[in-house]
Amino acid sequence: EAQVTQNPRYLITVTGKKLTVTCSQNMNHEYMSWYRQDPGLGLRQIYYSMNVEVTDKGDVPEGYKVSRKEKRNFPLILESPSPNQTSLYFCASTPGTGLNEQFFGPGTRLTVL
Amino acid sequence: AQSVTQLGSHVSVSEGALVLLRCNYSSSVPPYLFWYVQYPNQGLQLLLKYTTGATLVKGINGFEAEFKKSETSFHLTKPSAHMSDAAEYFCAVSGGAGGTSYGKLTFGQGTILTVHP
Repeated sequence: EAQVTQNPRYLITVTGKKLTVTCSQNMNHEYMSWYRQDPGLGLRQIYYSMNVEVTDKGDVPEGYKVSRKEKRNFPLILESPSPNQTSLYFCASTPGTGLNEQFFGPGTRLTVL
Repeated sequence: AQSVTQLGSHVSVSEGALVLLRCNYSSSVPPYLFWYVQYPNQGLQLLLKYTTGATLVKGINGFEAEFKKSETSFHLTKPSAHMSDAAEYFCAVSGGAGGTSYGKLTFGQGTILTVHP
């Protein structure tokens, strides 16, 4: 089944404790993104990657890191999480075509205490 | 630069009534436009999309949207609401091929649709 998977789905952590949220897609898509969803703000793009070893900042990149060592994986790293990073996070992928339809993962709900 | 404005953070309709969710966009290149739906505690699912061609686009679950370039709008409609339509709806814009925003999806703030019996 074609899908985007994220792990963990739920995470409660404390300020400053490094964490990684994994994202994997099995559709051979070139383009992958991370978004955060906050009430009243919709989804905002954190980082995106147009292919292996090619990443760039989205609209809200502060406090986050990403890497793209393999085409299928695009982990999101929070080196020193803070409470304002409490949010619902979505990974998405899209083929490198002009259609730009994005396929979303199920989401990761992160709480930083 | 591109942006999306959804008019109305909450819309409430009766079952069987018309659903109209408003979306206006701005884009420096011909846009690709999308509507996504998010059911409670789930991810986003594509409802419909406009890229080129016919300006009236039909999607899943009886929804449709019309691209109006002169009004920079892409409103979502459904003739008759069903209880199962209750969800949050997001309009999104992406720059088409050749633009610097190619592949970048910008979302509106979302509209929560409530359907009353």
